Amino acid sequence: NAGVTQTPKFQVLKTGQSMTLQCAQDMNHEYMSWYRQDPGMGLRLIHYSVGAGITDQGEVPNGYNVSRSTTEDFPLRLLSAAPSQTSVYFCASSQTSYTEAFFGQGTRLTVV
Amino acid sequence: AQKVTQAQTEISVVEKEDVTLDCVYETRDTTYYLFWYKQPPSGELVFLIRRNSFDEQNEISGRYSWNFQKSTSSFNFTITASQVVDSAVYFCALSDIPPGSLDKLIFGTGTRLQVFP
Repeated sequence: NAGVTQTPKFQVLKTGQSMTLQCAQDMNHEYMSWYRQDPGMGLRLIHYSVGAGITDQGEVPNGYNVSRSTTEDFPLRLLSAAPSQTSVYFCASSQTSYTEAFFGQGTRLTVV
Repeated sequence: AQKVTQAQTEISVVEKEDVTLDCVYETRDTTYYLFWYKQPPSGELVFLIRRNSFDEQNEISGRYSWNFQKSTSSFNFTITASQVVDSAVYFCALSDIPPGSLDKLIFGTGTRLQVFP
């Protein structure tokens, strides 16, 4: 019973590089989301999805892209990494936005 | 618009003290849900409780209790007889369901609780 699997756990990027953070869940949840956690800022919503093919922007979407082609997967793409994107990223899934959310272990991303 | 405010950035207490974490929310919807999550030093996020807007009954679970007051838009969390293992960052969160729009879950900035022996 894997729950939410988020990879990688750690990543260092150079400014301007692109990368994809992977998120997969095996609970058949419709709702998936990405958050970033910065000191003093809490968890801020980047993008979210209420089902396959349906995504929307959260509070801080700039510089990130998502797609949801399957129920299980919700990758987050950094188009051109910037130092301001240095953060800890969490993927979450739940049946809906108003039921218990299950989180991945987080990805610590450093952009130099 | 949704908003969750946790004004207390950090709280320090000595073991066995009671402590209350404040959460104030804003929403224009009549149907919404409130949550508390815990993030211990190991970093994972753990669900604690969910409450819907139609149920203002307070809830107690062991040493944890929650006080939901719609009149003040608050959903406060009290730990009775705190223990060192309660040391963590606690997040309050809100999900509302605006008509004709997608529902989403947003979090407050968190309160770091440190319990000293």
